[in-house]
Amino acid sequence: SQELEQSPQSLIVQEGKNLTINCTSSKTLYGLYWYKQKYGEGLIFLMMLQKGGEEKSHEKITAKLDEKKQQSSLHITASQPSHAGIYLCGAESGGTSYGKLTFGQGTILTVHP
Amino acid sequence: EAGVAQSPRYKIIEKRQSVAFWCNPISGHATLYWYQQILGQGPKLLIQFQNNGVVDDSQLPKDRFSAERLKGVDSTLKIQPAKLEDSAVYLCASSFTGVGNEKLFFGSGTQLSVL
Repeated sequence: SQELEQSPQSLIVQEGKNLTINCTSSKTLYGLYWYKQKYGEGLIFLMMLQKGGEEKSHEKITAKLDEKKQQSSLHITASQPSHAGIYLCGAESGGTSYGKLTFGQGTILTVHP
Repeated sequence: EAGVAQSPRYKIIEKRQSVAFWCNPISGHATLYWYQQILGQGPKLLIQFQNNGVVDDSQLPKDRFSAERLKGVDSTLKIQPAKLEDSAVYLCASSFTGVGNEKLFFGSGTQLSVL
C-alpha cells in the first residue's frame, strides 16, 4: 500500500518568513492533493497536482510535484498567522483506487506574530 | 453551495457503548468516504461508497464498525461496542464522480471521546 511521509512534522516560524513542507511517496504519484486543517476541524482543499510534473500557486502558497522523486513540496512565502494549522498531503494510488486518498501524517505549522 | 454536513459535532461515550454518526454529502456527489483521524495522525480511510454500493471497506473493523448509505445519499457510521482506541475525529467526505483526479470535500467532522 502507498505511504506518504511528510517533513518536517512540525514547524515554528516568525511572521514574514518563508517555509517549505515536503511530502514523499513510497510509490508512483498519480495525483497529489494538499489540504489544510484547523485543529479538530475538517480539511480545506488547497491544491491538486497531476501526474507529469506540475506547479501551482494560490496567493502566497506554491505547490510543486516532482514525479521522478515521487515528491511534492508546499512553499509559503511571507508567512502570516492565518497560515497556521495542519498541512496534509494526500495521494491517489492510481489503478482501481477510485478517487480515494491516502494521507501523510501532517505537518503542524505555527506562525508567531 | 452547501458543504458536507456531519452530526453530531462532539460525542463522549463510555467504552462498550454504541455510537452513530451521520453525514449528508454535497448534493449530486456520487461518492462518499468515511475517514478516521486519530490525534497526531493523518486521516485513514474506513469505507468508500459509490452511490449506495461499497467500493472499499478493507480497513473497516467489521467486528465493531458498520456503515450504510441507503438511497445513495446520506450515510451513517456506527460503532458497537466502542473501545478506548476508537477516540478520534470521524470525517466524512464526498466527491462528484469518485473516478479520480477530483478533489474531495470534507465535513467538519465528529470528535469522539471514548472514556
